[in-house]
Amino acid sequence: GAGVSQSPSNKVTEKGKDVELRCDPISGHTALYWYRQSLGQGLEFLIYFQGNSAPDKSGLPSDRFSAERTGGSVSTLTIQRTQQEDSAVYLCASTPYVSSYNEQFFGPGTRLTVL
Amino acid sequence: AQTVTQSQPEMSVQEAETVTLSCTYDTSESDYYLFWYKQPPSRQMILVIRQEAYKQQNATENRFSVNFQKAAKSFSLKISDSQLGDAAMYFCAYRSANNAGNMLTFGGGTRLMVKP
Repeated sequence: GAGVSQSPSNKVTEKGKDVELRCDPISGHTALYWYRQSLGQGLEFLIYFQGNSAPDKSGLPSDRFSAERTGGSVSTLTIQRTQQEDSAVYLCASTPYVSSYNEQFFGPGTRLTVL
Repeated sequence: AQTVTQSQPEMSVQEAETVTLSCTYDTSESDYYLFWYKQPPSRQMILVIRQEAYKQQNATENRFSVNFQKAAKSFSLKISDSQLGDAAMYFCAYRSANNAGNMLTFGGGTRLMVKP
């Protein structure tokens, strides 16, 4: 079946503009995660959705970052008034249900470049 | 908070040889899971192997095996008979068994180069 998809693959924007990044999880997966991978570094957790529960936003670096998940499926990560330090690869992952053992399936990411 | 450290930014191995990637972590929890992910240039993170902290036996997946030392909080990955396709970034990751969200905490990664 289809894996996790993300769009766009690459996004170049100017400082101060807003951007939206999209994630389509694997069908039927109830949990969805967003991570950020800055150049040459590991991934850092941003936000987590599980079903209809309130999201865990504890990893969001500032109030310029927000995310929503519509209908328990597609998720959009929005960055307002982008800054150069927001340049990174943004990865989305999904899992069938929340369990420590379950593998998180990752999408190919969106590379964001803020000029 | 948990932290994961990979002390080797880059490693190199000759094709068909064996290489070991290091990972240490810090946690006060007793129940957790550890993972090794591979990230090729395509950016897609691929699960290589996982280990449950309550299991003493080291996990093995074909040419990939781990050396899990719970007391030392060490979780190294051994790749045997290295192949050109193994060249990638490798990330060690920790996942709590108690946290409601079970998000992953990653190390900084090790770039593995495989020489023909």
